[in-house]
Amino acid sequence: EIVLTQSPGTLSLSPGERATLSCRASPGVGSNYLAWYQQKPGQAPRLLMYGASTRATGVPDRFSGSGSGTDFTLTISRLEPEDFAVYYCQQSGGSPFTFGGGTKLEIK
Amino acid sequence: QVQLVQSGAEVKKPGASVNVSCKTSGYTFTNFYIHWLRQAPGQGPEWMGVIDPSGSRTTYAQKLQGRVTMTRDTSTDTVFMELSSLTSGDTAVYYCARGPFRGSNWYNYWGQGTLVTVSS
Repeated sequence: EIVLTQSPGTLSLSPGERATLSCRASPGVGSNYLAWYQQKPGQAPRLLMYGASTRATGVPDRFSGSGSGTDFTLTISRLEPEDFAVYYCQQSGGSPFTFGGGTKLEIK
Repeated sequence: QVQLVQSGAEVKKPGASVNVSCKTSGYTFTNFYIHWLRQAPGQGPEWMGVIDPSGSRTTYAQKLQGRVTMTRDTSTDTVFMELSSLTSGDTAVYYCARGPFRGSNWYNYWGQGTLVTVSS
């Protein structure tokens, strides 16, 4: 089973700042098989990125993804109030398709 | 537009079974796999398995093998997930989800979630 470890667990930032979220895979996973989701309380996860760096339909371009192998990053260039939520990475390179434990992005 | 609409919340006793439905619309039912995931309170989502509605082929997470069954009804474009021998560890929100392509294993369409509570 591929284990995904996200860091930090909680990130406290202010609107307008840049956010960098990390996802580490063990063992590694192909970049085609890494996705990122945003989840707000009481809602289903929302797909942000797939293939590590491709934005899903309707996702603003302040969101970007990068990485390969074992280390992946989601960057939000300039935080908007609606970006404060929990973010999960997910790998689909090998069954079971696993998720990380999440990074909570909170307002400082 | 694509919609996945799930059945309502359930409360079950330990040892019982639960059946959650996911009615789809807005696309050709047999063209896309449907996945089931669950999310325990405060945890990340957990993948449970997938069904191919065109032929009922299923793949289940190994940890749930023997307890989970996924089926489909092509007359109503609905998929079902049954989980048996419930314990308190199965308390979670259960989701059905679909990807943008037939075989994609990431999800851009989700049901609204079904809370299953297991309590004596």
